[in-house]
Amino acid sequence: EVQVVESGGGLVQPGRSLRLSCAASGFSFDAYAMHWVRQAPGKGLEWVSGISGNGGTTGYADSVRGRFTISRDSAKNSLYLQMKSLRPEDTALYYCVKGNGGSFQEDFFDYWGQGTLVTVSS
Amino acid sequence: DIQMTQSPSTLSASVGDRVTITCRASQSVSSWLAWYQQKPGKAPKLLIYQASNLESGVPSRFSGSGSGRDFTLTISSLQPDDIATYFCQQYDTHFTFGGGTKVEI
Repeated sequence: EVQVVESGGGLVQPGRSLRLSCAASGFSFDAYAMHWVRQAPGKGLEWVSGISGNGGTTGYADSVRGRFTISRDSAKNSLYLQMKSLRPEDTALYYCVKGNGGSFQEDFFDYWGQGTLVTVSS
Repeated sequence: DIQMTQSPSTLSASVGDRVTITCRASQSVSSWLAWYQQKPGKAPKLLIYQASNLESGVPSRFSGSGSGRDFTLTISSLQPDDIATYFCQQYDTHFTFGGGTKVEI
């Protein structure tokens, strides 16, 4: 059974950093792109970042480029999101999402975690 | 960036009704479009990919159609379990979601 489980969310002050983690199981981790998608309270969905199965290609939404860094560790079957210079508008539930293919281009999302909540507030 | 516009934003229907949700892209996305269902307090669930392909395990009352800029999600006979918010998503150029359609009974 495919499972993705996020952790690392919490309350953080504006300008500070936070690292999210996602533990994946039930599939060949290296074969699939992985993504982070966020949802602000009561709002819609926003793709944040993605990484190819081999980790060689990454992509970011304009709203986070230069502040967030996505990475993956095949030995630990884990996905990460390093978030720096956090802003109140980054407050959201962050979902770890499995892509359907190895490249994150032309890739849809077939399994979602339950999310980890990040709150940016002083 | 490609913008995705869904309509309506809220839809009220009765059990057994045929329900149609539309999604329009600001430019062509070919058939690179997916639909997701999100129930309150839950993560989104994939329903349809590549505009018209039903994800495994999804009831056959759900169907998708369209290409280019205009797409539809149809529920042929609305069931109580279908109460949810539905999102379209283009994956032609990066990824953008529609604003969502809340389906109520």
